[in-house]
Formats: sequence, C-alpha cells, structure tokens
Amino acid sequence: KNEVEQSPQNLTAQEGEFITINCSYSVGISALHWLQQHPGGGIVSLFMLSSGKKKHGRLIATINIQEKHSSLHITASHPRDSAVYICAVLPPNTGNQFYFGTGTSLTVIP
Amino acid sequence: DVKVTQSSRYLVKRTGEKVFLECVQDMDHENMFWYRQDPGLGLRLIYFSYDVKMKEKGDIPEGYSVSREKKERFSLILESASTNQTSMYLCASSLSGAGSNTEAFFGQGTRLTVV
Repeated sequence: KNEVEQSPQNLTAQEGEFITINCSYSVGISALHWLQQHPGGGIVSLFMLSSGKKKHGRLIATINIQEKHSSLHITASHPRDSAVYICAVLPPNTGNQFYFGTGTSLTVIP
Repeated sequence: DVKVTQSSRYLVKRTGEKVFLECVQDMDHENMFWYRQDPGLGLRLIYFSYDVKMKEKGDIPEGYSVSREKKERFSLILESASTNQTSMYLCASSLSGAGSNTEAFFGQGTRLTVV
C-alpha cells in the first residue's frame, strides 16, 4: 500500500536552481510533515503543516488539502541542501502514526 | 531543543544474538516510535508506544519486541537477530494531540549489521 507518493525519486540540480519536490497522498490527514535526512542517517523536521504555506529561510512548503498534494520548494539551492527529503502524512485517529513516502534524493552540484 | 538520543550509531551483531537498541527523549513526549529504514522501502513502523508500559504493533513487528518502563525511554529488542534485520533503525517521539502539535522528532539512527 502506498498512501504517500513522492516525485521525483532522484533529482540533480545545479547550484542556484529553484527546486520543487512533490508529495501526493490518498488518505485524509490532519497534518503533513516534511523531513530532511543527510547522509549518516539523522532525520530533521523541516515543516509540519495542515493548511496553506510555510516558509523558513530558502525553504517553502505548501499544501492543498482538497487536492491531497504538497510541495517543498528550495530557492537558490546550495550543495549543502543535498539530502533525502521525506514527506510524511498524519491521518486522524491513528494514534499519531505517520505514513511516509520513500523519499526524494536531491544532489546539488556546485 | 528537543533531543532524541539513540544509544549507538553503528552496531555489528552475530546471528542469534539478543540485541537491545535504546532511545531516550528529553521533552516529556507521550508518543515514541521505532522504525526501520531500507532502500526503496522508506520508513516502516515496527512498534510504537503512547504511554508508559503501553505498546502497539506497527506494520512489521515480527522478530521484535519493545519495552517502555519510563516515559523518556523506549527500547527495541531483537530477540534473536537475523541477517534480514540488517537495517537502519530510527527512533522518534512526539506529543499526543492533533495537527501541527504532533511534529515528530527523530534520533540520529542506528545502523545495525547482523552477520
């Protein structure tokens, strides 16, 4: 079962490019989580959102609840943005269990 | 800063050994989770706990057990390690509630190799 689909799976960009990573889901949710995982394993929370748009530095996350879709944008990409980006959704009434996408591996070339 | 700490970054164990992976969080979170992460499969939930001494099976509990004797600590136990349990193991914690209050915080991961 794939409640959460991310695209693309792999992405290579030149430094400075604008990047978009997409997440589509098939279940009703109370919130959506964007996560970043650098080589070495640790996962960092970027955004948790349930509507609209959030911005943090060069990162922007949007969500359209009606279309069951979220996007993560990175402006002026930099090699340090190279990581795996994971989308996770939180359906209601699941004891706070997330459903995860398989991740988008981003490489930003200098 | 929320901190979720896993006891080891790397572990190598022999087939048949009993393995303990420890996770501690310092933010008084009710919920704690154990996931394994494998290439192409993403994060899969092994077990979670929403309170002390409470546990619920996730999607892939076979071959694992857990213990939560204190609120801050959630242990994952591999009763008899097998080579197919070689993986990255990630612990996470979150508050109970709904919406954006339920942000999950992750540990740094334990890469377990069973030989």
